[in-house]
Amino acid sequence: DAGITQSPRHKVTETGTPVTLRCHQTENHRYMYWYRQDPGHGLRLIHYSYGVKDTDKGEVSDGYSVSRSKTEDFLLTLESATSSQTSVYFCAITSDGSSYNEQFFGPGTRLTVL
Amino acid sequence: RKEVEQDPGPFNVPEGATVAFNCTYSNSASQSFFWYRQDCRKEPKLLMSVYSSGNEDGRFTAQLNRASQYISLLIRDSKLSDSATYLCVVMILTGGGNKLTFGTGTQLKVEL
Repeated sequence: DAGITQSPRHKVTETGTPVTLRCHQTENHRYMYWYRQDPGHGLRLIHYSYGVKDTDKGEVSDGYSVSRSKTEDFLLTLESATSSQTSVYFCAITSDGSSYNEQFFGPGTRLTVL
Repeated sequence: RKEVEQDPGPFNVPEGATVAFNCTYSNSASQSFFWYRQDCRKEPKLLMSVYSSGNEDGRFTAQLNRASQYISLLIRDSKLSDSATYLCVVMILTGGGNKLTFGTGTQLKVEL
């Protein structure tokens, strides 16, 4: 158990509304990641963070922003949700000190945009 | 061509069978390799890292062939509880952390 929680676990929202997903970790890991998972695609990286206030884009970052004001929290915001952002969102961390840099995932947030 | 390719399956096998999954990757700069297991509507969970010399963990054996850019996972004596989707994952180290590329997964169904 990597000590990662995500909230909310399920959300239904309407097109055009802002949505913020939260990832919380308890073990002071430096690196945190947001992925989305859709049928027919592998998990795809949205944004990642390598420290407080240090973030960068992944391969599918359009329409998403992130913030990390504390080590333990990594927030993903959809400024104006669209139906194409209906997906399952996973947060992940890299275990510091791991020689293979494995990533460990939170339980996911299932988001539906109507 | 996808960066990581897997046969989607499903592989339907009887309990006790041996089953093998293959995965190919396109980026020769890939540095680390993993197999993750994902149960329906759950998060991916690390099954095993794949070492250059190959490695075994109980009933599971992983092999890496860098020359052919090929990774395999062998499951012996399959159990009903092995039913899941198996994700092949490759990693490249970048200046900002590690970049994982995921395959779309191979579905395994173990039957009585």
